[in-house]
Amino acid sequence: ELKVEQNPLFLSMQEGKNYTIYCNYSTTSDRLYWYRQDPGKSLESLFVLLSNGAVKQEGRLMASLDTKARLSTLHITAAVHDLSATYFCAVDGGTDKLIFGTGTRLQVFP
Amino acid sequence: KAGVTQTPRYLIKTRGQQVTLSCSPISGHRSVSWYQQTPGQGLQFLFEYFSETQRNKGNFPGRFSGRQFSNSRSEMNVSTLELGDSALYLCASSSGPSNTEAFFGQGTRLTVV
Repeated sequence: ELKVEQNPLFLSMQEGKNYTIYCNYSTTSDRLYWYRQDPGKSLESLFVLLSNGAVKQEGRLMASLDTKARLSTLHITAAVHDLSATYFCAVDGGTDKLIFGTGTRLQVFP
Repeated sequence: KAGVTQTPRYLIKTRGQQVTLSCSPISGHRSVSWYQQTPGQGLQFLFEYFSETQRNKGNFPGRFSGRQFSNSRSEMNVSTLELGDSALYLCASSSGPSNTEAFFGQGTRLTVV
């Protein structure tokens, strides 16, 4: 059974600092997704990573995928308050089924 | 283009009742999947439909069911509601038939009292 683990679960960071969220998964998959969720809101798609070595960047966020290590990272550069949210990784479980990680709740403070 | 539309946004039901939630996917998308989000269990896959056929089902009791219509709109039904069914139910649509980017609706917040 495919399992997806994220760490850390909670991340409190100061504005301007860098940090990385890790997403590990248990079985082979070539597709990994990152989503953002604001409190009480739905999931916003951030990145779709479709192959080994894929790297995508949008603003202060950069995501990468290592399928051999079954690991994806979401790197935050020079955090700002607007990045405060919960971030989920999700792995393709076949036929449009996503297996989600536990989520990382990020809080950025001044 | 219009996004994924879920109705209603909020529902309060009593234990033992049943409920039907609706999801209209992005125009042209043929795959609709449903997820339950709770603080304790996180985001869990319920089921997925493509061209009116259920292709995948999560580990939920038979009280949870769904269907998809010829226009790709989907409904999910929960019968004999339990307190533990209180959750945010999210619908996602993708162009399908598999492994494509999923776009989520705003969700239906179900509270069972």
